Amino acid sequence: EVQLVESGGDLVQPGGSLRLSCAASGFTFNFYWMHWVRLVPGKGLVWVSDINSDGRTSNYADSVKGRFTVSRDNAKNTLSLQMNSLRGEDTAIYYCARGSVTGYYYHGMDVWGQGTTVTVSS
Amino acid sequence: SYELTQPPSVSVSPGQTATITCSGDKLGEKYVCWYQQKPGQSPVLVIYQDTKRYSGIPERFSGSKSGNTATLTISGTQTMDEADYYCQAWDSSIVFGGGTKLIVL
Repeated sequence: EVQLVESGGDLVQPGGSLRLSCAASGFTFNFYWMHWVRLVPGKGLVWVSDINSDGRTSNYADSVKGRFTVSRDNAKNTLSLQMNSLRGEDTAIYYCARGSVTGYYYHGMDVWGQGTTVTVSS
Repeated sequence: SYELTQPPSVSVSPGQTATITCSGDKLGEKYVCWYQQKPGQSPVLVIYQDTKRYSGIPERFSGSKSGNTATLTISGTQTMDEADYYCQAWDSSIVFGGGTKLIVL
């Protein structure tokens, strides 16, 4: 079964850090681009970051650039998101999602994890 | 930054046709995907590359585009189709629309 399982969400104070992980199974992980997308209360889905299949190319939304770092370990079939300098507006459910093999965005994100909740509050 | 505009909500009676629009600058030159998200669940890819139905998605779901407006159409809407729907495109980065709550009553 193709599956993505996120972990690492927690309650953290503003300015704090958190590392999210996403364990992939049931498909050849190192073939695919991977994404992080968050569901923001009252705002909807917001794309956060993506990374190509070999981990050498990554992209970020302007709102997280310089604070978040995406990485992957293809030997362990794991995607990670290191989040630093967290702000209240980072509060959301964070999903990892499978992108395409080609990197073309129009193929969409076809497999999603169940999400992990990050709450930034004092 | 690039924006995709969707109506906040659309209401439809069971068995009728629901249409959800997504508009954006030069959207006609970009490909659009559509996602369905039910409360407490993860998003599901419904349509990709404007018109292609993803594997396992019922035939009552279809995508189209005219000018700078993309449309998700649900024919013979069922109560199980009640959900939030998001369009998505790319313009220097991936962008989602604000989402449309489909109310089936």
